[in-house]
Amino acid sequence: KNEVEQSPQNLTAQEGEFITINCSYSVGISALHWLQQHPGGGIVSLFMLSSGKKKHGRLIATINIQEKHSSLHITASHPRDSAVYICAAYNNNDMRFGAGTRLTVKP
Amino acid sequence: GAVVSQHPSRVICKSGTSVKIECRSLDFQATTMFWYRQFPKQSLMLMATSNEGSKATYEQGVEKDKFLINHASLTLSTLTVTSAHPEDSSFYICSPWGRGGYNEQFFGPGTRLTVL
Repeated sequence: KNEVEQSPQNLTAQEGEFITINCSYSVGISALHWLQQHPGGGIVSLFMLSSGKKKHGRLIATINIQEKHSSLHITASHPRDSAVYICAAYNNNDMRFGAGTRLTVKP
Repeated sequence: GAVVSQHPSRVICKSGTSVKIECRSLDFQATTMFWYRQFPKQSLMLMATSNEGSKATYEQGVEKDKFLINHASLTLSTLTVTSAHPEDSSFYICSPWGRGGYNEQFFGPGTRLTVL
């Protein structure tokens, strides 16, 4: 079993839909990262959170430390949100990555 | 956010040659540098972690004599793929971590290496 599990692996949505991507981890963490990787390969850090909830524009990330689970939500999805979303568990200079969720938002 | 550059962005080389990839953190001091490798349709895999001025720590299965990492300054780290082979073809990404007031992880734009 991987230390960081993401679901779903692939997700296709219509523009405007509400998107949820889930991440469960089995390792101890000091923070959990949500990353976005564009088709060209570039990676952007969306959130780093260790508790509660963070919001940036249409993106919301939540984490439940007790349940070792985090979710990334995208409201009013848009084709430009199409990318691979990766969660990563971070602890003491060590980062373990999920396999990623490939999101395609169709117009 | 912080600016991280990698050079080159894309390189094609013949088998047996060595390739050097540079990673620069342009507006903060990278005390730690993570080097990742990503094969097609797979997630990032940590290759090694280096702290400025000291030897890198390599992950299991990563040959330290093949992937030479130099982190001589707080703004520059290099990864040299020595005697490259086709199976080394991959997307290499650096990720600096350090001082500068940022509380997030930054990533270089990546270097796509193709070994013929």
